[in-house]
Amino acid sequence: SAVISQKPSRDICQRGTSLTIQCQVDSQVTMMFWYRQQPGQSLTLIATANQGSEATYESGFVIDKFPISRPNLTFSTLTVSNMSPEDSSIYLCSVWGVQVNEQFFGPGTRLTVL
Amino acid sequence: AQSVTQLGSHVSVSEGALVLLRCNYSSSVPPYLFWYVQYPNQGLQLLLKYTTGATLVKGINGFEAEFKKSETSFHLTKPSAHMSDAAEYFCAVNTNAGKSTFGDGTTLTVKP
Repeated sequence: SAVISQKPSRDICQRGTSLTIQCQVDSQVTMMFWYRQQPGQSLTLIATANQGSEATYESGFVIDKFPISRPNLTFSTLTVSNMSPEDSSIYLCSVWGVQVNEQFFGPGTRLTVL
Repeated sequence: AQSVTQLGSHVSVSEGALVLLRCNYSSSVPPYLFWYVQYPNQGLQLLLKYTTGATLVKGINGFEAEFKKSETSFHLTKPSAHMSDAAEYFCAVNTNAGKSTFGDGTTLTVKP
């Protein structure tokens, strides 16, 4: 299994500002994934973060809004830029456990934008 | 491409009654299928998964699910509901390691 930690666990931000969320995994992984869960809704994949290359974004998500870094095999950051209230969500970091064919999620970052 | 449909955004059962939460998927390749539970203001918890092998899989808290390829279904059941089962349940499909597609979720209410 993989243990994933995220910082911050929650934050309240003003519109127009940016927040960077950190994700740390206790083992080396090739790919890390960022998901969003808007209030009362399901999870949606934002992007896949690969070490040594640019992140791959899903339809509806763009790099200017959600820049991602992946400096090494255990760490990634997701920035939510120029925030609006619609960005209020839980953002989750995730990895895939190849040995067990299972997805592991971090505890999430609960973001509220005023 | 992959997709998941959870039939019924809200399901209400009496304590002790059968729980049945429906999930249908679409996938062009053999899928991995998952059920997660989310309690209010908490993270996702894996209930059970199907990858290969036995099509009836048992999970935590007395839940089980059966993979039916012919029906493209992976319905979640529990013989006897408990008050503590009240939560949001998500079905998910994965055909590309790590890139899961989630259903819209089903809110389970358990009446005393």
